[in-house]
Amino acid sequence: KAGVTQTPRYLIKTRGQQVTLSCSPISGHRSVSWYQQTPGQGLQFLFEYFSETQRNKGNFPGRFSGRQFSNSRSEMNVSTLELGDSALYLCASSFGQGGLSGELFFGEGSRLTVL
Amino acid sequence: AQTVTQSQPEMSVQEAETVTLSCTYDTSESNYYLFWYKQPPSRQMILVIRQEAYKQQNATENRFSVNFQKAAKSFSLKISDSQLGDTAMYFCAFMNPVSSNYQLIWGAGTKLIIKP
Repeated sequence: KAGVTQTPRYLIKTRGQQVTLSCSPISGHRSVSWYQQTPGQGLQFLFEYFSETQRNKGNFPGRFSGRQFSNSRSEMNVSTLELGDSALYLCASSFGQGGLSGELFFGEGSRLTVL
Repeated sequence: AQTVTQSQPEMSVQEAETVTLSCTYDTSESNYYLFWYKQPPSRQMILVIRQEAYKQQNATENRFSVNFQKAAKSFSLKISDSQLGDTAMYFCAFMNPVSSNYQLIWGAGTKLIIKP
């Protein structure tokens, strides 16, 4: 069974640009969550999608958005990039919302560097 | 609001030793889940162990076990016979389906280094 796949793995952007990250969950999983991980702030929850609907949202500005498709694949978009957006963006999938009992399956992450 | 605190930013032990990572949490809920996740260097995060608050018995997974003290709101992870492959960031997390709406509340993490 394939794991959670995130693309691209690494990318470099400049301030003001926008970026789209993709996440393909484990087959059969309907929930996808996104996290931002930085050395200073740790793991910060961005949002969760379940059956194409955003079910939860973290405390991030509107520049951060996401969506989920009917095949459960998800994308997140960051517009007008700032230097502080440099981070590892993690995607996690689960069968139920929040994994029901909490078990999330993570991808390897997309490392974004903003210059 | 629920919070999770990991007071040890970094720890290091010799291979084969036993190490305990600390985690405390704050909640007014009585039913919830607690987790330890492991993130090895440049590799994906994986679930190490899970504890359901209504279960009094401490969870165990091979060399990994927890000491769950519900009244003290403490959830420590013990790694026995530590191995080089245990080197990783370890995150403690809390979840209550109602109050946290299925979202995991994460601690800041503990960097564990196993020395040969």
